[in-house]
Amino acid sequence: KNEVEQSPQNLTAQEGEFITINCSYSVGISALHWLQQHPGGGIVSLFMLSSGKKKHGRLIATINIQEKHSSLHITASHPRDSAVYICAVRSRGGSEKLVFGKGTKLTVNP
Amino acid sequence: EAQVTQNPRYLITVTGKKLTVTCSQNMNHEYMSWYRQDPGLGLRQIYYSMNVEVTDKGDVPEGYKVSRKEKRNFPLILESPSPNQTSLYFCASSPRSPGHELNGYTFGSGTRLTVV
Repeated sequence: KNEVEQSPQNLTAQEGEFITINCSYSVGISALHWLQQHPGGGIVSLFMLSSGKKKHGRLIATINIQEKHSSLHITASHPRDSAVYICAVRSRGGSEKLVFGKGTKLTVNP
Repeated sequence: EAQVTQNPRYLITVTGKKLTVTCSQNMNHEYMSWYRQDPGLGLRQIYYSMNVEVTDKGDVPEGYKVSRKEKRNFPLILESPSPNQTSLYFCASSPRSPGHELNGYTFGSGTRLTVV
C-alpha cells in the first residue's frame, strides 16, 4: 500500500461544477502539500497545510490530522483548472523527505 | 523574477556518458531538492539539501550524485547513466520560515532526459 493515496485517479467535470479531490496518508506528517501540474508539465505549489483549512481564490484545502486525510476543493470550476493535482506529505521527525501521491487528472469541459 | 532555472530542458545521451543537470535559484532559499517523474509511479524524491554542504538521500538516490557548494546551485550528476534513468526531472527550492518549517516549493521547468 502506498503511503499516500489519492482519489479519484481521473475526474471529468463540466464548467461550473464543484470539485473535490481526496488524499489519504498512512504516516505521521509535519505538513501536506498540494501541487498543480499543468498540461505543459510545469509544477506549481498550491498549498502547504499542517492543520485546518486554507483558501486561495476558488481553491480550498482542508486537512484532518486525526483521520490522516486532506481534501482539495475547486469551486466554480473552469477549463483552465484542467491539470494534474498532486498531494505530497512531509514525514514527522525532522526528515525533509517528500512522499507523493500519484496524482488526480482533472479535465473540466466547457 | 524569482525562479528556479534548470538546464538543459531536453537531453538525449548514451549509456555511460557522464552528465550534469544544473539547477539554480535566485531566492536565497535554504532547501533544494531533485525529483524524477515516471508514468505510473508519479514523482519521487532523489536527493535534497537543507543548506550549503548538507545533502540527504530521498527515496531513489541510486545512480545519482549531488553537491551543494553554493546556496543558489544544486546540480544533479549522473556518473554513468543507464536507460532506466530516462525520466522527467524536476528541481525545487523552498525557504525555511523563522520557526524552521519549510514553506511552499518553487519548481523548475523540468528536464526531459533520454538515455539510449
